[in-house]
Amino acid sequence: GAGVSQTPSNKVTEKGKYVELRCDPISGHTALYWYRQSLGQGPEFLIYFQGTGAADDSGLPNDRFFAVRPEGSVSTLKIQRTERGDSAVYLCASSSRQGILPGELFFGEGSRLTVL
Amino acid sequence: AQRVTQPEKLLSVFKGAPVELKCNYSYSGSPELFWYVQYSRQRLQLLLRHISRESIKGFTADLNKGETSFHLKKPFAQEEDSAMYYCALTFFSGGYNKLIFGAGTRLAVHP
Repeated sequence: GAGVSQTPSNKVTEKGKYVELRCDPISGHTALYWYRQSLGQGPEFLIYFQGTGAADDSGLPNDRFFAVRPEGSVSTLKIQRTERGDSAVYLCASSSRQGILPGELFFGEGSRLTVL
Repeated sequence: AQRVTQPEKLLSVFKGAPVELKCNYSYSGSPELFWYVQYSRQRLQLLLRHISRESIKGFTADLNKGETSFHLKKPFAQEEDSAMYYCALTFFSGGYNKLIFGAGTRLAVHP
């Protein structure tokens, strides 16, 4: 596709349930980032992938959060035993390390997660 | 620790008025700073970056290392400038460029 694609766009779940959020980056982009944006806040870094490996997962808030990118393209953010505080918009972004100045990320439209 | 501060949550101006969205950063190294914008119902996108010293949609931003600031300015605001604006800092950490954001400022331009 032309841009970063995220699904679902909206997800409502109950406390304690398991959730998966998917990100399809721009074709050829090797770097992939997940951010979380709570109401009234800026995007907060969660995890960064370079290729298939998680190069930096220091932003994941706790062990209920996990992300994978098994083939170096699509990534899935997984949240176990969801809590109301997990409610936020989860943003995915990608970039190419070649020819792109650092910091120029291309964002998806986000997945809005609501935990009841 | 690295930090980006945007002190204003909301900036409200009339069309044609000058605009300045404030951004201060905390970083001990040589910073690279950006402004991202999010228009209503659109995705977050890059507006401009300081190393390019460019003007986009009439906006400019100058890096002031002495004041650790990177304020976004436009001499005459337009209604279509209404959006959320995020200042962002990138720094090299753990072998890659990490990007962190401020909390954002909502710019509302009234007719």
